[in-house]
Amino acid sequence: EAQVTQNPRYLITVTGKKLTVTCSQNMNHEYMSWYRQDPGLGLRQIYYSMNVEVTDKGDVPEGYKVSRKEKRNFPLILESPSPNQTSLYFCASSLTINQPQHFGDGTRLSIL
Amino acid sequence: AQTVTQSQPEMSVQEAETVTLSCTYDTSENNYYLFWYKQPPSRQMILVIRQEAYKQQNATENRFSVNFQKAAKSFSLKISDSQLGDTAMYFCAFMSRETSGSRLTFGEGTQLTVNP
Repeated sequence: EAQVTQNPRYLITVTGKKLTVTCSQNMNHEYMSWYRQDPGLGLRQIYYSMNVEVTDKGDVPEGYKVSRKEKRNFPLILESPSPNQTSLYFCASSLTINQPQHFGDGTRLSIL
Repeated sequence: AQTVTQSQPEMSVQEAETVTLSCTYDTSENNYYLFWYKQPPSRQMILVIRQEAYKQQNATENRFSVNFQKAAKSFSLKISDSQLGDTAMYFCAFMSRETSGSRLTFGEGTQLTVNP
């Protein structure tokens, strides 16, 4: 089954404790992206990747890192999480940059 | 930078009736995509419909259709014969075909409730 898989689905953690949210897709998609969703703001893009070893900042990259060492994986790293990063996070992928994106099921992060 | 605006935070409709969700956007580009995504309580993001800006014909997908007015930069979604399963948050989104490095710019969302 074609899918985008995010882990974990839920996480509660404390300020400053490094965490990684994994994202994996099995569709051989070139383009992958991370979004955060906050009430009243819709979804905002954090980082995206056009292909392996090619990443770039989205609209709200501060406090986040990403890597794209393999085509299927695109982890989101919070080196020193802060409460303002409490949000619902989505990973998405598409075959190329201009194709409709397939979304993962979301990860709810709470930073205390 | 592009912006997308959904001016209706909440809407409701009776089952089997028709409802229209509004979306406006701002861009200086001529070549782009517009999308409507649906997010039910399960939080999944589901693509509802896509419109390519160079196409004059409005996109349709079963009970879902759009009214794309390029000059007015308007992209509304019409849902016909509304069903209880249509209850969800709906997001309008813009994607450029001109600038390198692509991103989806989303509106704030409209919460649609279909009442029995």
